[in-house]
Amino acid sequence: GENVEQHPSTLSVQEGDSAVIKCTYSDSASNYFPWYKQELGKGPQLIIDIRSNVGEKKDQRIAVTLNKTAKHFSLHITETQPEDSAVYFCAASPYSSASKIIFGSGTRLSIRP
Amino acid sequence: NAGVTQTPKFQVLKTGQSMTLQCAQDMNHEYMSWYRQDPGMGLRLIHYSVGAGITDQGEVPNGYNVSRSTTEDFPLRLLSAAPSQTSVYFCASRTGQGWDQPQHFGDGTRLSIL
Repeated sequence: GENVEQHPSTLSVQEGDSAVIKCTYSDSASNYFPWYKQELGKGPQLIIDIRSNVGEKKDQRIAVTLNKTAKHFSLHITETQPEDSAVYFCAASPYSSASKIIFGSGTRLSIRP
Repeated sequence: NAGVTQTPKFQVLKTGQSMTLQCAQDMNHEYMSWYRQDPGMGLRLIHYSVGAGITDQGEVPNGYNVSRSTTEDFPLRLLSAAPSQTSVYFCASRTGQGWDQPQHFGDGTRLSIL
């Protein structure tokens, strides 16, 4: 089955700097890769996603890149702000098992003022 | 819009007790699922449903039962609670129209088993 590894587990960056979170997956059939942000006491919320026919996707200060050959994808947050502090999860979903999605273990991002 | 509503938000049980975690969505989503979240382990799928009357097991189904009698509701039952089931539980839903549609999560139920 699919296995998703996420690094780092914690990340602290200065406000205004960039943050990068990386994930690798094992199932070459995976072709949908969402990223979720979880604030304290809340459920995860989708912030961006990418499909296997796309190499990069941007949404304002957030971007995701996908390398299918190497089986890894990354989340990039530029010009970080205090409200970016949260736990971020990557996930991978294979089309053959569309009802199942495997999550990474999460990255706790802290923005230093 | 209410989205996905989970009740209760917090619950403490004794080992061996039973309870039902409630989940309701008002978006007419076909697909609903239950996850548990444990420190350092991300979210793991317990059970899911692709529509009313249809349920299936996820990654960690043991000790949990589900049913789906309506599109809106997807309760999760613990028949005999064990300390290993101490966790935060999240319910999620998404439209069935497309395997790559985003999931909407509730705010979770924090469950402690003594």
